[in-house]
Amino acid sequence: SQTIHQWPATLVQPVGSPLSLECTVEGTSNPNLYWYRQAAGRGLQLLFYSVGIGQISSEVPQNLSASRPQDRQFILSSKKLLLSDSGFYLCAWSIGLAGPYEQYFGPGTRLTVT
Amino acid sequence: TQLLEQSPQFLSIQEGENLTVYCNSSSVFSSLQWYRQEPGEGPVLLVTVVTGGEVKKLKRLTFQFGDARKDSSLHITAAQPGDTGLYLCAGSNQAGTALIFGKGTTLSVSS
Repeated sequence: SQTIHQWPATLVQPVGSPLSLECTVEGTSNPNLYWYRQAAGRGLQLLFYSVGIGQISSEVPQNLSASRPQDRQFILSSKKLLLSDSGFYLCAWSIGLAGPYEQYFGPGTRLTVT
Repeated sequence: TQLLEQSPQFLSIQEGENLTVYCNSSSVFSSLQWYRQEPGEGPVLLVTVVTGGEVKKLKRLTFQFGDARKDSSLHITAAQPGDTGLYLCAGSNQAGTALIFGKGTTLSVSS
């Protein structure tokens, strides 16, 4: 069966510091991978998605970047965090680009920028 | 722009009551999905509806996709405290590259 991991689970970082959040998927090959941000228990905002190694699409201009160095690894980064980067970050995976297009989510990372 | 609007935003009920939450759009979606999210965790997929008019049941939860594939509803019968959570609907964007999420319905069921 497929599993998705995110770490760290919780992170407190000062403004201006760098960020690296990691997401890995097990049990599947060539997944589509996504990074979302969720504010205060509300809807999800898509930040980045990737359909393959080195292929990254950005949905929202921001202080963040994403990379996919391996097939099942997705990394969210920032060189200098802003207060507004605080939130709950979710990684998700899916298979294929057609059909019901179901996505499966990781446990999330709670980021607080102080 | 494709948008999904969910209502109500918040719902607080007693154990044993029935409830319905709605997910509406002016756009047609090829499919819609419902997720439930508990605090501090990632959303969990409950169901996918694909065909207009489709009805799916998951124990006490009944999901319906509108005939025109622009809306969906989730009905819970005899709600229990374990049903508490944030319910999100989502549909594929026109390019088929990502899901569009509604802002969710926060459900609280007290015993």
